[in-house]
Amino acid sequence: AQTVTQSQPEMSVQEAETVTLSCTYDTSESNYYLFWYKQPPSRQMILVIRQEAYKQQNATENRFSVNFQKAAKSFSLKISDSQLGDTAMYFCAFMRGDLSGTYKYIFGTGTRLKVLA
Amino acid sequence: DAGITQSPRHKVTETGTPVTLRCHQTENHRYMYWYRQDPGHGLRLIHYSYGVKDTDKGEVSDGYSVSRSKTEDFLLTLESATSSQTSVYFCAISESGGPSGYTFGSGTRLTVV
Repeated sequence: AQTVTQSQPEMSVQEAETVTLSCTYDTSESNYYLFWYKQPPSRQMILVIRQEAYKQQNATENRFSVNFQKAAKSFSLKISDSQLGDTAMYFCAFMRGDLSGTYKYIFGTGTRLKVLA
Repeated sequence: DAGITQSPRHKVTETGTPVTLRCHQTENHRYMYWYRQDPGHGLRLIHYSYGVKDTDKGEVSDGYSVSRSKTEDFLLTLESATSSQTSVYFCAISESGGPSGYTFGSGTRLTVV
């Protein structure tokens, strides 16, 4: 069974600095997808970034980028120029299709990030 | 979030009572999901639906049932609520069920006392 591990329950970073959140996963599959979701205090789940395992190029969305190391099964999220609005819980998630063609998430336990003024 | 609403947003109920949470979408998406979020566990899939009257179990389905009689509505029922079902419940929708990511609702905080 697939598992997703986020080993940092809490982190903090100074405004305008860079922070990296770690995520590792375990799978025997070669084709899958990885995601980072942000959950601010409003509880809304917001998709931050998505990576296809068959793509070697790391995904980037504005200030958010990933370091995808397929062999090491590592998928870290880098937030550059941190802003107060980045304060949130961040979830790493793994997804692959099952025999019926349905895709389901496996979520990590989350990292609570606080951006300090 | 636009296109998906959950009701109620908060609910307190007593142990042993039935509870129904509602998820309503206006996107006409085929796939709908119910998750629960608990500290130390992230989000875990309870049940999902791949069409009207087509549902299947997730990893934590015990004590829960679902129904989908219309494309736009997906109901989650706790037949007899227990304290272990105190959680935040999220509904999500997906157009194709594929890997493009889901759209999540704002969640329902359920407390069973």
